[in-house]
Amino acid sequence: EAAVTQSPRNKVTVTGGNVTLSCRQTNSHNYMYWYRQDTGHGLRLIHYSYGAGNLQIGDVPDGYKATRTTQEDFFLLLELASPSQTSLYFCASSDDRGHTGQLYFGEGSKLTVL
Amino acid sequence: GDSVTQTEGQVTVSESKSLIINCTYSATSIAYPNLFWYVRYPGEGLQLLLKVITAGQKGSSRGFEATYNKETTSFHLQKASVQESDSAVYYCALSDRGYQNFYFGKGTSLTVIP
Repeated sequence: EAAVTQSPRNKVTVTGGNVTLSCRQTNSHNYMYWYRQDTGHGLRLIHYSYGAGNLQIGDVPDGYKATRTTQEDFFLLLELASPSQTSLYFCASSDDRGHTGQLYFGEGSKLTVL
Repeated sequence: GDSVTQTEGQVTVSESKSLIINCTYSATSIAYPNLFWYVRYPGEGLQLLLKVITAGQKGSSRGFEATYNKETTSFHLQKASVQESDSAVYYCALSDRGYQNFYFGKGTSLTVIP
């Protein structure tokens, strides 16, 4: 069973704070993604990566950095958090080699910026 | 652009009644989009419910069905008789043929009342 684990599950910080969201997948997948989910919006892609050291910009990258340190680990960095970044964040992985088209999602990280 | 529009907000259905969640798509830069329904149960990440990659085909899973209609650019999700355990948020999505880019709808929150 494919597994994607996110931490922390819940985080509260203040405006200007520094936040790191972590994601680990044990699927041996090449692709990993960070999405945000807000009321009234579908999932929106922030950044993605197709391997260690690689980073691709998504649709809503402003205010976010990301780093893929290994095939398993993908981090989302908010260096100066703002209230507009209050959201539910999902990490996902996918296997491009099999072309199954299936994204495997973590359980989500709820971030509140006061 | 490429996008997905689905029944917005919340839908409440009595147990054993039928369900339809509408989904239409726009794929201006994708010649042959793949279509998906994902579901997010409370406290869990999104998981694939069903996918169809060929126009005219029907996908089914857990009693849910959706038919890829290229003429009407639709991919409605249907179930003949819902159960309380179907209460979840449902997302329609499309991707390009190579599964590189995914576009999600805003999600439809289904509540099934006993």
